[in-house]
Amino acid sequence: DSGVTQTPKHLITATGQRVTLRCSPRSGDLSVYWYQQSLDQGLQFLIQYYNGEERAKGNILERFSAQQFPDLHSELNLSSLELGDSALYFCASSVWDLLRGKAGELFFGEGSRLTVL
Amino acid sequence: GQNIDQPTEMTATEGAIVQINCTYQTSGFNGLFWYQQHAGEAPTFLSYNVLDGLEEKGRFSSFLSRSKGYSYLLLKELQMKDSASYLCAALGAGNMLTFGGGTRLMVKP
Repeated sequence: DSGVTQTPKHLITATGQRVTLRCSPRSGDLSVYWYQQSLDQGLQFLIQYYNGEERAKGNILERFSAQQFPDLHSELNLSSLELGDSALYFCASSVWDLLRGKAGELFFGEGSRLTVL
Repeated sequence: GQNIDQPTEMTATEGAIVQINCTYQTSGFNGLFWYQQHAGEAPTFLSYNVLDGLEEKGRFSSFLSRSKGYSYLLLKELQMKDSASYLCAALGAGNMLTFGGGTRLMVKP
């Protein structure tokens, strides 16, 4: 158990719909990341937040948005869903301590598997 | 931008040693990380290198050469449970952690 909680674990929806994925980071971690992993593909970086503010942005579609709330949990919103959005969405958290080399040590949640029909 | 290359698949025999290579191109390099991911599961952190050289942790070791943009993960005394994908990731400009496509390792009896 990494300490990162993601809900829902599975989600099936139709094209054109909107869904929200939720993530609670490990206690004490200020940084939250979202990654997308399609079938047999690598992890594609979407976005990173640190203490409520956007820190880095990857190839995140305009139909996708995210935020980190004051209690540090984060939500990833996916709208106007397309078949190609079907994937495993991982949330990860870290303490983000560059000096101690902890910035890249991410703790991943179990992922939210999204299926768009 | 950042670019990370690693082999797609490798096969090795139980009890043997395997080396998984990774080459990277990134600006503002802040470290090289290796993760293990079993099918359908979350990635888990294995190792971190920021200085040149070898870091050993039990059966797993990771090496980094910053001048060559090269790293490898060495797995010794392979076990069947080591069958998994191994992801190389570089921490670069903008403090963004970018992952390679992963190397799927199959350990055979």
